[in-house]
Amino acid sequence: DSGVTQTPKHLITATGQRVTLRCSPRSGDLSVYWYQQSLDQGLQFLIQYYNGEERAKGNILERFSAQQFPDLHSELNLSSLELGDSALYFCASSAGGRTSRPTDTQYFGPGTRLTVL
Amino acid sequence: AQKVTQAQTEISVVEKEDVTLDCVYETRDTTYYLFWYKQPPSGELVFLIRRNSFDEQNEISGRYSWNFQKSTSSFNFTITASQVVDSAVYFCALSYGSGNTGKLIFGQGTTLQVKP
Repeated sequence: DSGVTQTPKHLITATGQRVTLRCSPRSGDLSVYWYQQSLDQGLQFLIQYYNGEERAKGNILERFSAQQFPDLHSELNLSSLELGDSALYFCASSAGGRTSRPTDTQYFGPGTRLTVL
Repeated sequence: AQKVTQAQTEISVVEKEDVTLDCVYETRDTTYYLFWYKQPPSGELVFLIRRNSFDEQNEISGRYSWNFQKSTSSFNFTITASQVVDSAVYFCALSYGSGNTGKLIFGQGTTLQVKP
């Protein structure tokens, strides 16, 4: 058990809908990362938050947004869902993020499997 | 550009065989970090090891060992005396230096099947 929790574990929804994925980082970790794992794209970085502030953006669609709350949990919002958004979404956390040196190991949650029908 | 290549898509071995998973990386940064993660059939990503670019010492942890060679930009992973429980997808990942906040760039993964 990595100490990172994600809910829900599975989510089935229809095209055009909006969903919210939730992540709680390991105790004491300030950085949260979101990744998407799909068959065609592999594991791709979406976005990072550090202590409530956005720190880095990757290949995240405009239909997707995220935030990190004062209690450090994070939510990933996916809207206007398309069939191609079906994937496994991972949250990871690490201790730091303020410095530019990527020294911290990221520990991953169990993932949320999203199926868009 | 930063890139990780795992050329072996799938490997199948019989239990107790040794197996090496290859990882080749590309980066222009002199400071970077390499990782291996395991994804068993249950789906979670499990951290195995982190190595920084200044430390080329090989590492051994039980049946697992890692060989880091900057000269060939490789960070290979060997499982000795493989077991059925080692069956999983293994990912090599890169996190690079200045200006980066730590996001991971993953290889495509190598699926390892260990048969009894």
